[in-house]
Amino acid sequence: QQQVKQSPQSLIVQKGGISIINCAYENTAFDYFPWYQQFPGKGPALLIAIRPDVSEKKEGRFTISFNKSAKQFSLHIMDSQPGDSATYFCAATRSTPLVFGKGTRLSVIA
Amino acid sequence: DSGVTQTPKHLITATGQRVTLRCSPRSGDLSVYWYQQSLDQGLQFLIHYYNGEERAKGNILERFSAQQFPDLHSELNLSSLELGDSALYFCASSVAIQGNTDTQYFGPGTRLTVL
Repeated sequence: QQQVKQSPQSLIVQKGGISIINCAYENTAFDYFPWYQQFPGKGPALLIAIRPDVSEKKEGRFTISFNKSAKQFSLHIMDSQPGDSATYFCAATRSTPLVFGKGTRLSVIA
Repeated sequence: DSGVTQTPKHLITATGQRVTLRCSPRSGDLSVYWYQQSLDQGLQFLIHYYNGEERAKGNILERFSAQQFPDLHSELNLSSLELGDSALYFCASSVAIQGNTDTQYFGPGTRLTVL
């Protein structure tokens, strides 16, 4: 079965620190890897996405690092802020609906 | 606001009952996806419709069914409800048919509680 494994389940980071969330996938056919951010009571919203032809993508304080040979990708949140406190989901797909990781609950404390 | 609307926001019902969840996609989006979110299973894909046609099925139970109407809104029907069906149900929409070429925009979800 196609799976995306996400870790950690929860993460507490000090304000200004770096938050790192990791994901691993099994299906080498996947060719699109988005990250979604979900606040309580809201639906998930696309944060940033990457394709496997690049090893890194940066948008503001958010960076995806991609390691094709290891079948892993990670989200780095630089200068983490209390407003970043949310649940983050990695996902993967190839011409199919998204396969999501189980999510990471991030808490950024002052 | 993603532009995707879902009704109702909350639904409380009893085991054995049937409910209908409704989704209106963003203007111009032809694809509608349904997901179930529970604490232990995360976000699970249920079904995908494109311009009125079913395109893909995921972990959708036989007790569940969906359709997309000519005006592109979609309904998810859940019948013979069980306690384990209690979850958040999300609808997402996108412009095209491919999950890897465009962004899926999620609605605010319907929280279903089965007592």
